Amino acid sequence: SQTIHQWPATLVQPVGSPLSLECTVEGTSNPNLYWYRQAAGRGLQLLFYSVGIGQISSEVPQNLSASRPQDRQFILSSKKLLLSDSGFYLCAWSANLNTEAFFGQGTRLTVV
Amino acid sequence: EDKVVQSPLSLVVHEGDTVTLNCSYEVTNFRSLLWYKQEKKAPTFLFMLTSSGIEKKSGRLSSILDKKELSSILNITATQTGDSAIYLCAVPPGNNRKLIWGLGTSLAVNP
Repeated sequence: SQTIHQWPATLVQPVGSPLSLECTVEGTSNPNLYWYRQAAGRGLQLLFYSVGIGQISSEVPQNLSASRPQDRQFILSSKKLLLSDSGFYLCAWSANLNTEAFFGQGTRLTVV
Repeated sequence: EDKVVQSPLSLVVHEGDTVTLNCSYEVTNFRSLLWYKQEKKAPTFLFMLTSSGIEKKSGRLSSILDKKELSSILNITATQTGDSAIYLCAVPPGNNRKLIWGLGTSLAVNP
């Protein structure tokens, strides 16, 4: 069966510091991968999605970037965090772009 | 512009009550509608409704798709405190584009 791992679960970072959140999927090949941000426990905002290695689509202009160095690995990064980057970040995968997605447990990021 | 609207945004009920959550959509080339439950962390998949499967049921939860009204309802009967969560609706428009999400309905079930 497929599983998705996302870490860390909680992170507190100072303003201006870098960020790296990692997500890996097991039990499937060539998944579509997503990074979402959820503010105040509501409304999933799609940040990035990837249909293959090295292929990243950015949905909103921001202080973040994403990379997919391996088929089942998706990384969310920032060179310098802003206070507004605080939020709940969710990684997800799906077999296709328009089928159900399955989520990791999320990372709660607080920038102070 | 494709959009998904959920209502109500927030709901508080007592244990044993029945609740009905709504999701309406406007998307190009509709194929399916998805319901998720989100407790503390990751949203968990509940149902997928399509033109060929317009009603789904699992225990006390059931969902119906009304393609004529461009909407779906999620019904929870005999609610329990464990049903407290945010319920999210999502629709994948056609042309292989990503899911369009509603803002969710926050349900609180009080003992």
